[in-house]
Amino acid sequence: EAGVTQFPSHSVIEKGQTVTLRCDPISGHDNLYWYRRVMGKEIKFLLHFVKESKQDESGMPNNRFLAERTGGTYSTLKVQPAELEDSGVYFCASSPRTRGDAFFGQGTRLTVV
Amino acid sequence: DQQVKQNSPSLSVQEGRISILNCDYTNSMFDYFLWYKKYPAEGPTFLISISSIKDKNEDGRFTVFLNKSAKHLSLHIVPSQPGDSAVYFCAASGSASSARQLTFGSGTQLTVLP
Repeated sequence: EAGVTQFPSHSVIEKGQTVTLRCDPISGHDNLYWYRRVMGKEIKFLLHFVKESKQDESGMPNNRFLAERTGGTYSTLKVQPAELEDSGVYFCASSPRTRGDAFFGQGTRLTVV
Repeated sequence: DQQVKQNSPSLSVQEGRISILNCDYTNSMFDYFLWYKKYPAEGPTFLISISSIKDKNEDGRFTVFLNKSAKHLSLHIVPSQPGDSAVYFCAASGSASSARQLTFGSGTQLTVLP
């Protein structure tokens, strides 16, 4: 069974540009989460989808971040325009349950220069 | 304001000895606690969990202890092996809709020396 996959694994963009991160969850997992780790600190929650609906987006930093999950399958996280402080590793996770442990992807390392 | 804290950024132990990783939390709404392990360039991998109705959960070499009154949990690895070298994250969640997501600590880098 394929795990959670994220694309790209690395992205280097200039300040002001747009970047779109993609996450393919484990097939059949209704719950999809986005997290971010900045500068080796804690992994912080961004938002939670249940199927195609946003269950909780309380962790989204600001309106430059837009997440979608069309059709309840894969999800995208767009940052527009990117700022220097957006640099970090963005993790996607999926789970068949609303809470409890989740399966994480390998992450996308975003560097804004 | 960090609700889950791992105050030791790093820990080194000798192979075969016990590794003890600690975690403190402040939110009394948390009722489910997890430990994740992370290797470089990989995502976190679930290791072990414990519900607040228990004070201990064991899985092979890994045991998690929960002290609710102190809002403290710990992960014991015995015996430690070089392959256990990784960053260990403590995480917590609650049943309230505002707390179901995982809240992580900042991680502890464990190095097991051969």
